[in-house]
Amino acid sequence: QKEVEQDPGPLSVPEGAIVSLNCTYSNSAFQYFMWYRQYSRKGPELLMYTYSSGNKEDGRFTAQVDKSSKYISLFIRDSQPSDSATYLCAMSVGYGQNFVFGPGTRLSVLP
Amino acid sequence: GAVVSQHPSRVICKSGTSVKIECRSLDFQATTMFWYRQFPKQSLMLMATSNEGSKATYEQGVEKDKFLINHASLTLSTLTVTSAHPEDSSFYICSAIGGDRHHTQYFGPGTRLTVL
Repeated sequence: QKEVEQDPGPLSVPEGAIVSLNCTYSNSAFQYFMWYRQYSRKGPELLMYTYSSGNKEDGRFTAQVDKSSKYISLFIRDSQPSDSATYLCAMSVGYGQNFVFGPGTRLSVLP
Repeated sequence: GAVVSQHPSRVICKSGTSVKIECRSLDFQATTMFWYRQFPKQSLMLMATSNEGSKATYEQGVEKDKFLINHASLTLSTLTVTSAHPEDSSFYICSAIGGDRHHTQYFGPGTRLTVL
């Protein structure tokens, strides 16, 4: 079993749809959870950062962490064509240690 | 958010030459920097982790004599691809953590290396 699993997609949705992206993990020691967005030929950009379980909202983006299920999600409301990118989940135990990235989900939002 | 820059953004070189890529943290002191490579439509592959003032730790299968990493200051790390070959052509990305930003990595924009 891989340490972090993420459906690679591609995922295609119409503009305005709600997008749900998910990752599962196996290491219960992970405390910090992140979502990055990566456009083609660019470095990943940090979108959301969450500590421990719970929800965090930032504009059209909501991150959810369920540590009991070892499951994290990123929701994108009112998706736009500009949201088309690869989304990577990442997690760590903290203090710069043991970062692990998911393989990324390719998202296409169709106008 | 934290800003990490990379230079150059794109480089083309002849086989057998060496290429240096710089990674800078612009608004924080990076105690640790990471170097990744990424092939088209594939995920990030960690090459090495470098801590300021000490030798880099390389991932299994990464040749330390080929990919020289220097992290001489808290704002600068360099990756030198020595005696480059066409199979070294790839997208190289650095990231940094440090200060009160220890819990997440901030990435540079990446460097596209093409070896002819």
